[in-house]
Amino acid sequence: DVKVTQSSRYLVKRTGEKVFLECVQDMDHENMFWYRQDPGLGLRLIYFSYDVKMKEKGDIPEGYSVSREKKERFSLILESASTNQTSMYLCASSPQGASTEAFFGQGTRLTVV
Amino acid sequence: DQQVKQNSPSLSVQEGRISILNCDYTNSMFDYFLWYKKYPAEGPTFLISISSIKDKNEDGRFTVFLNKSAKHLSLHIVPSQPGDSAVYFCAANSGYALNFGKGTSLLVTP
Repeated sequence: DVKVTQSSRYLVKRTGEKVFLECVQDMDHENMFWYRQDPGLGLRLIYFSYDVKMKEKGDIPEGYSVSREKKERFSLILESASTNQTSMYLCASSPQGASTEAFFGQGTRLTVV
Repeated sequence: DQQVKQNSPSLSVQEGRISILNCDYTNSMFDYFLWYKKYPAEGPTFLISISSIKDKNEDGRFTVFLNKSAKHLSLHIVPSQPGDSAVYFCAANSGYALNFGKGTSLLVTP
């Protein structure tokens, strides 16, 4: 069974903290993604990666960075957490190609206080 | 600017009836479209997809229709069941990433 695993289901962090969200996939997929979901705004793409050490900005990259040192792992970093980064964060992976589906992890609900 | 639009935030349907969820897109370069279903506190799960070379794809109770000239697709669920109550997201593949709509919350009442 295909699997995308996010390290935490729920996180509470303080304003100004550096936050790491980890994601691991076991499907040997080339592409990995980070989205956030907010009520009324749908899923918005933060960053994606199509290969190890490669990264591309999505629609809302401000305040975030990413790291992909190994093919199976894609980390999202909040350099200095702010309350407007309170959200549901979703990691996904997909094989190469345009006609493919993405598989999502279970999500991390991050609250910044 | 949002390239994939779901203009109905919510929909309520009686059990056994048909649910029709709609989606519009603006980018004519999109050539692969998907529907995802999402329950609260879970990640989205893939439901059904359609390539731009087709106008219909069916999988059990779920059928997706694509009208390329109108840049419109729809998801039909028939018959609707209470377990179908969830948020449904339409997505289009731009080559690397999926572009999502804002979602439609479907409630199927007994």
